[in-house]
Amino acid sequence: DTEVTQTPKHLVMGMTNKKSLKCEQHMGHRAMYWYKQKAKKPPELMFVYSYEKLSINESVPSRFSPECPNSSLLNLHLHALQPEDSALYLCASSEVGSEAFFGQGTRLTVV
Amino acid sequence: DQQVKQNSPSLSVQEGRISILNCDYTNSMFDYFLWYKKYPAEGPTFLISISSIKDKNEDGRFTVFLNKSAKHLSLHIVPSQPGDSAVYFCAASERAQKLVFGQGTRLTINP
Repeated sequence: DTEVTQTPKHLVMGMTNKKSLKCEQHMGHRAMYWYKQKAKKPPELMFVYSYEKLSINESVPSRFSPECPNSSLLNLHLHALQPEDSALYLCASSEVGSEAFFGQGTRLTVV
Repeated sequence: DQQVKQNSPSLSVQEGRISILNCDYTNSMFDYFLWYKKYPAEGPTFLISISSIKDKNEDGRFTVFLNKSAKHLSLHIVPSQPGDSAVYFCAASERAQKLVFGQGTRLTINP
């Protein structure tokens, strides 16, 4: 099983809503990541969790709040987002120090 | 400041011929390099990687070459197949933790 599963695939939310993106992997990877990709741009790193602890936060606004409940799950809690936050949000996992495997992404639209 | 650059936004190659995608980087601390393939509205798919202690890595039709002195890497696909048509991202990192992606090259394989 080399799959990273992200739910939902699509999400439309208002600027006052609270929603969560979910990511799951069963490869035993101990590093998990959130990336953001805008149209026609490369993915940009947001957060890294290593052994269930937040190890990198790329100065992401606090309206994005990551959570790693256990070694298989990674959440991204969203609150009071802006229309410019609309993007493809990608989750990835890896063995620590090895190549990352990405999920299919959640296409987020903020209205 | 773009640390990883793919200077060719697009490349068109005839089926059966060799595709060569190029990538340059500026950060001499990068020690791990990867190539990903991406279809629209999907997450990147890992193709091949190379660490800075090597200058070549091969996996089936895919070969990655690393020239550390020139801070340049390339991906060779031979023979090219129609299913190879996609956007290819080069990525670099220190200790594989924090991937920095290039802008991507759209490869089109013509029958």
